[in-house]
Amino acid sequence: GQQVQQSPASLVLQEGENAELQCNFSTSLNSMQWFYQRPGGSLVSLFYNPSGTKHSGRLTSTTVIKERRSSLHISSSQTTDSGTYLCALERDSNYQLIWGSGTKLIIKP
Amino acid sequence: GALVYQYPRRTICKSGTSMRMECQAVGFQATSVAWYRQSPQKTFELIALSTVNSAIKYEQNFTQEKFPISHPNLSFSSMTVLNAYLEDRGLYLCGALGSQNTLYFGAGTRLSVL
Repeated sequence: GQQVQQSPASLVLQEGENAELQCNFSTSLNSMQWFYQRPGGSLVSLFYNPSGTKHSGRLTSTTVIKERRSSLHISSSQTTDSGTYLCALERDSNYQLIWGSGTKLIIKP
Repeated sequence: GALVYQYPRRTICKSGTSMRMECQAVGFQATSVAWYRQSPQKTFELIALSTVNSAIKYEQNFTQEKFPISHPNLSFSSMTVLNAYLEDRGLYLCGALGSQNTLYFGAGTRLSVL
């Protein structure tokens, strides 16, 4: 089965609402990364988070290894947050990234 | 801080021609660089892993003859897509390995083939 399951597949919110994105994994973890993919395709690296909680502005990433999950929280969403969010797990330092299927986020004004 | 610049951001080439993309590590030494491709079906694949002063390891379905890689120093790597065809379209991503085995990613190079 899929080693990284990302949910939800799509999410539509009103501007100002909070967004919660999840990645669950079934394999060992060396690192978890979160990316934002712009509508044009280019990637922005958001977090490198092997464990614990990290903050960056309105974004928070939490990885709990014991529970095999990582989450990305966006507070007070803005229309410019719209796009696809991807999580990627690196297993065993072999540089093979196992990618989630992505969450398409749409923030309505 | 550690940054990876990847360029060009977008490129279009004619079918059968070649294009080169570059990856520059700033603020850290990239002992290894991993190149990935995201196909139009949104699947990311590892193309190859390049380590300075070591042989480049290509994954199955990718070859040096098709995707030659240069990694001359600890801050720069380039990859060429030779004889590009429609199936080579996609987003190419470089990830440079920094300290504590952290991979830092460029923004990607989007390749379109006419």
